[in-house]
Amino acid sequence: DAGVIQSPRHEVTEMGQEVTLRCKPISGHNSLFWYRQTMMRGLELLIYFNNNVPIDDSGMPEDRFSAKMPNASFSTLKIQPSEPRDSAVYFCASNYGQGREKLFFGSGTQLSVL
Amino acid sequence: SQQGEEDPQALSIQEGENATMNCSYKTSINNLQWYRQNSGRGLVHLILIRSNEREKHSGRLRVTLDTSKKSSSLLITASRAADTASYFCATISGGSYQLTFGKGTKLSVIP
Repeated sequence: DAGVIQSPRHEVTEMGQEVTLRCKPISGHNSLFWYRQTMMRGLELLIYFNNNVPIDDSGMPEDRFSAKMPNASFSTLKIQPSEPRDSAVYFCASNYGQGREKLFFGSGTQLSVL
Repeated sequence: SQQGEEDPQALSIQEGENATMNCSYKTSINNLQWYRQNSGRGLVHLILIRSNEREKHSGRLRVTLDTSKKSSSLLITASRAADTASYFCATISGGSYQLTFGKGTKLSVIP
């Protein structure tokens, strides 16, 4: 099993640019989570999908952030326009069920917005 | 908001010693999980303990849960340099699907 695959691993962009982060969950998993990790705030849940449907996006910081899951094997997190305060590590995680047990994390995308 | 809070924030020990990390949480839980994060990597699930369990073992890991004190501890016995990482506790409460993480304990094991 390849695990949860995220791309890119590192992204450096300038303020105002659009950023798209990608995630491929583990095959067979039907719950997908996007988390953001910073030193100040730790790990924050941004959005949760179950069976490709967004269930809770209350953690999405503002309208500049959007996420999609067009099918069971792919999800994107988009930031448009990006700002320096969006700099963080963004993780995708998946599991089977409703997310209450063991989560499998990707290696993350380190985003730097200059 | 943070549900779990780990203590200490950082811990440095010699290889072969035991490492103990603590986690306190605020509201009643369904289960509590511990994860490890190596530098620059994603989190890896270590162990899950349910609210009706008091102790669990997995290899060199021992987890205890005291629901009356709303606290948990993770013990790593006979530590190795490869155990150097950050360790996070995470909790699930009520009917929620949301796993809420603490800010972690950074463990350094010196060879």
